[in-house]
Amino acid sequence: AQSVTQPDIHITVSEGASLELRCNYSYGATPYLFWYVQSPGQGLQLLLKYFSGDTLVQGIKGFEAEFKRSQSSFNLRKPSVHWSDAAEYFCAVGSNDYKLSFGAGTTVTVRA
Amino acid sequence: NAGVTQTPKFRVLKTGQSMTLLCAQDMNHEYMYWYRQDPGMGLRLIHYSVGEGTTAKGEVPDGYNVSRLKKQNFLLGLESAAPSQTSVYFCASRLYGELFFGEGSRLTVL
Repeated sequence: AQSVTQPDIHITVSEGASLELRCNYSYGATPYLFWYVQSPGQGLQLLLKYFSGDTLVQGIKGFEAEFKRSQSSFNLRKPSVHWSDAAEYFCAVGSNDYKLSFGAGTTVTVRA
Repeated sequence: NAGVTQTPKFRVLKTGQSMTLLCAQDMNHEYMYWYRQDPGMGLRLIHYSVGEGTTAKGEVPDGYNVSRLKKQNFLLGLESAAPSQTSVYFCASRLYGELFFGEGSRLTVL
């Protein structure tokens, strides 16, 4: 069975600074990988996804993520954070058995 | 565009009461899911369905039942609610690996 670890529970970053959120997964085959964002009181919105091909994936809102098979990682990055990026971020891994497993989430706080 | 709609959005139950959460999607997706979200635990899969008339257990199925009588609807039932089932419940449908989520249903069991 697959699993996801997000080592950072909470990250605080200054507006305009760069952001990197870590994600490590466990899965025997090539995984489907996702990053979702959740604003307070809202559902989850897909930021980006990796299925195959180019290991650097571009998403919405200026986010990107890099799949590194050797490290079993799929870290999310943004070069310059805006106050509206304050939210909770979830990494997820999917497999051929129709299930998607989520990490515990990382809460991002943006300070002015 | 409605997407995935969950009803009700909020509900307070007493221990032992029963209730049903309804999820409706208008995207003609085959796969549908029910997750619960608890602080510090991310989303955990309760049950899922790969098509009309099918259901399967996820990670935390105990205390819940589901039905998928119509392709567009996926119902989550609590037969005898317990305080441990206080949570935010999310329904999702899936296409090509991507999940589309509803806005959640907040359930409190007293």
